[in-house]
This record gives sequence, C-alpha cells and structure tokens, in this order.
Amino acid sequence: GAVVSQHPSRVICKSGTSVKIECRSLDFQATTMFWYRQFPKQSLMLMATSNEGSKATYEQGVEKDKFLINHASLTLSTLTVTSAHPEDSSFYICSARALLVTVENSPLHFGNGTRLTVT
Amino acid sequence: GENVEQHPSTLSVQEGDSAVIKCTYSDSASNYFPWYKQELGKGPQLIIDIRSNVGEKKDQRIAVTLNKTAKHFSLHITETQPEDSAVYFCAASKSSGTSYGKLTFGQGTILTVHP
Repeated sequence: GAVVSQHPSRVICKSGTSVKIECRSLDFQATTMFWYRQFPKQSLMLMATSNEGSKATYEQGVEKDKFLINHASLTLSTLTVTSAHPEDSSFYICSARALLVTVENSPLHFGNGTRLTVT
Repeated sequence: GENVEQHPSTLSVQEGDSAVIKCTYSDSASNYFPWYKQELGKGPQLIIDIRSNVGEKKDQRIAVTLNKTAKHFSLHITETQPEDSAVYFCAASKSSGTSYGKLTFGQGTILTVHP
C-alpha cells in the first residue's frame, strides 16, 4: 500500500543549530503535504500546508522563518527547524495527499514521525 | 476555524467489551471525519472514516456513526482485544478544495484493553 516515509525518525541537536526533516511519498505522487507537531500526550496540531512548486501556507502562530518548508517535487517535502531551541523539542509528523483525478477521493497518508530533541 | 472536542480522555475496558469514543465539531462545513489509531512513537494510522452523506459505516469490529444535525460522530469498537490498546484520535476536515487534508484533531483517547 501507499507509504509515507519520514527521515530521520529521531534527531538530537544542540540549541542554535538547524535540523532538516524529510517527508517522502514512496509509491505515489503528492501534490500537497501537511506538517503537524505533537507535544507529549497531546494532540496533533497542523503547522503548515506544503504545495509542490509554491510557497507553504502556515497556520496562525507558526513562524514561517523558523520552520522552513520546501516542496520541490511531487514526492518530497522538507521541514527545516532553524536556530532550534529546547521548546522546539517535539514529535513532527507529515501527511501526504495523493494526486488523483478527484480531490474528494484522494487518500491521506501519514508518516511515522520524527522525534526532535534540542539540548 | 474548526474545533473538535473528544471524550473521554481515557477509557479502560475488559477484553471482549465494547468501547465508544465520542467527538463533536463546530464547523458545519466539515464533511470528512476520519479516526486514527496512534501507537507509541508512531504516526497516526487511519482505521475508519466517514463522509457527511453517510450516517454509519462499519468495518469488521469497528464502526463510526455521524449525526450531522447535532455535529457529533462516534467510534465504536466491539469485541475489544489487548492489541486495540492505543491512543485514538478523531478529526474533521472539508473534503474538497484546498482545505482537504487539513485535519483538525480531537484531544485523543487513551484506550486500554485489559486481558
């Protein structure tokens, strides 16, 4: 079946450094990918919508200069956390919407998440 | 924007019993309601979904019901098994246009099934 792969699954970085997370659709083309953040024992909160070939759309309260999103191809979106701080430590999850003829029938697939720890 | 409320936050049942999780939503334009199961350290896994033109959908031991008028939907798991233990999230979205895929999640329910 359709698979969304995230890499890395875990990353530890020092405060002030930048970290890049990749989200790949392995066997389908994704016109749109979504980035979520999940703090421990909390729900998923949408951060931004990534559209192939155009600028990402950020949700209210999400700093676009801190969370850089690039969707350069139909199978890859990247999230870069710039100048990371300990409060950025979280579980980051992407989802991808397959490119089908009808939007209403385009299934959504989630990656397995990336655990970011900033020390 | 959309707001999704989910109850209960924790649910403990004996193996073989049924489990019911309820969600309400605020945006009457939402018409796609998926349910996800999340195991520790993993991403959400879709277990069942329902669209607003349907009142009920069933897949083996799992069923979802939707009341559009009252703006609430429920997940029913029958004959629960220990492997059903996980965190369950409901979500709501519009299933067309640029908003499709932008899910608003409920707060989650920790389901524990005791053998």
